[in-house]
Amino acid sequence: AQKITQTQPGMFVQEKEAVTLDCTYDTSDPSYGLFWYKQPSSGEMIFLIYQGSYDQQNATEGRYSLNFQKARKSANLVISASQLGDSAMYFCAMRGPLSGNTPLVFGKGTRLSVIA
Amino acid sequence: DAGITQSPRHKVTETGTPVTLRCHQTENHRYMYWYRQDPGHGLRLIHYSYGVKDTDKGEVSDGYSVSRSKTEDFLLTLESATSSQTSVYFCAISESLAVEAFFGQGTRLTVV
Repeated sequence: AQKITQTQPGMFVQEKEAVTLDCTYDTSDPSYGLFWYKQPSSGEMIFLIYQGSYDQQNATEGRYSLNFQKARKSANLVISASQLGDSAMYFCAMRGPLSGNTPLVFGKGTRLSVIA
Repeated sequence: DAGITQSPRHKVTETGTPVTLRCHQTENHRYMYWYRQDPGHGLRLIHYSYGVKDTDKGEVSDGYSVSRSKTEDFLLTLESATSSQTSVYFCAISESLAVEAFFGQGTRLTVV
């Protein structure tokens, strides 16, 4: 069964600094997808970035990048130049195998606080 | 924004009463999901659907049932609500497995 682990319940970062949010996963399937979502205090779930297991390069979306280390089964989210608006809960999620009707499974999340 | 609507947005109900939450989409996406969110637990999957009348259980399915008789609607029913089912419930949809899921705004359910 798929499992997502986020070991950092809370993180603090200074504004304009970069921060890495950790995510490890467990699967025996070769084909899977990894996702990151942001949940601000208003409650909505916002999709940030996606990485496929066969993608050769790490995914990037603006200030977000995914540090994908397949052998270590880690998919860390890197936020560059943190902004106050980045303060939120961040969830790592996984779906796999991509050939079956598999659901999207989430980790417990990391609360990021950006300090001015 | 993806067309996904949850109703009701807030509900207070008494222990032992049945409750149905509705998720409606206008995107014609194949996959639909129900999650519950509780402090310290993240989002936990209750049930999901991969087509009309095709559903499967998630991690925390006990006490919940679902139905999907049309592509656009995915209903979550608590047959006899308990206080442990007080939570925020999210519906999500996705077009395929290799793309992101879009989430509804959530339903805050309180069982007293």
